[in-house]
Amino acid sequence: GAVVSQHPSRVICKSGTSVKIECRSLDFQATTMFWYRQFPKQSLMLMATSNEGSKATYEQGVEKDKFLINHASLTLSTLTVTSAHPEDSSFYICSASSGGPWGTQYFGPGTRLTVL
Amino acid sequence: AQTVTQSQPEMSVQEAETVTLSCTYDTSESDYYLFWYKQPPSRQMILVIRQEAYKQQNATENRFSVNFQKAAKSFSLKISDSQLGDAAMYFCAYRSRLQGAQKLVFGQGTRLTINP
Repeated sequence: GAVVSQHPSRVICKSGTSVKIECRSLDFQATTMFWYRQFPKQSLMLMATSNEGSKATYEQGVEKDKFLINHASLTLSTLTVTSAHPEDSSFYICSASSGGPWGTQYFGPGTRLTVL
Repeated sequence: AQTVTQSQPEMSVQEAETVTLSCTYDTSESDYYLFWYKQPPSRQMILVIRQEAYKQQNATENRFSVNFQKAAKSFSLKISDSQLGDAAMYFCAYRSRLQGAQKLVFGQGTRLTINP
């Protein structure tokens, strides 16, 4: 149980284009989803938290107009990187939580974004 | 704000031996959750073990156990009978139990190598 998928696993795009990454909870309802960015050999950096049906809460320093997050249903959240630039190249990971006392986050397999 | 520190960037152990990964955290809260996640080369984050701060008994999951020392704010992970598949980055994480608190605070990670 508690499986989270991400699509695509890898994407290469040209500078200036937009890229959408999907995160789905496959066997549970995710009241909250999280988006992280991970640089090589570093820890995960939380970008934003989204609750189903609400606007996402962005961490300080994360541009909300550049990283658009939508959590339209209890099983799907999307991250759109708008007007991507080479410095946006990174590994993006989503996680999902069904809430409850533990609030345990279950992670997707990640998406490698390369912007040329 | 809470912080999590993993002071060992890298550790190695012989296969079948036991290894302990350290984690300390700083918080003014009395009730919270602690987690260990594993990130193998596939980069899929996997929950290894979790602990509630108000429970004195150390959590155990098969070959994985923790040594939770609340007064010292220490949460180490012990891996017994190490296997090649245990090779990964290990992240310690903290989550507040305050109402509305959802975020995980991660440590910097420890890279564990298993020597055959």
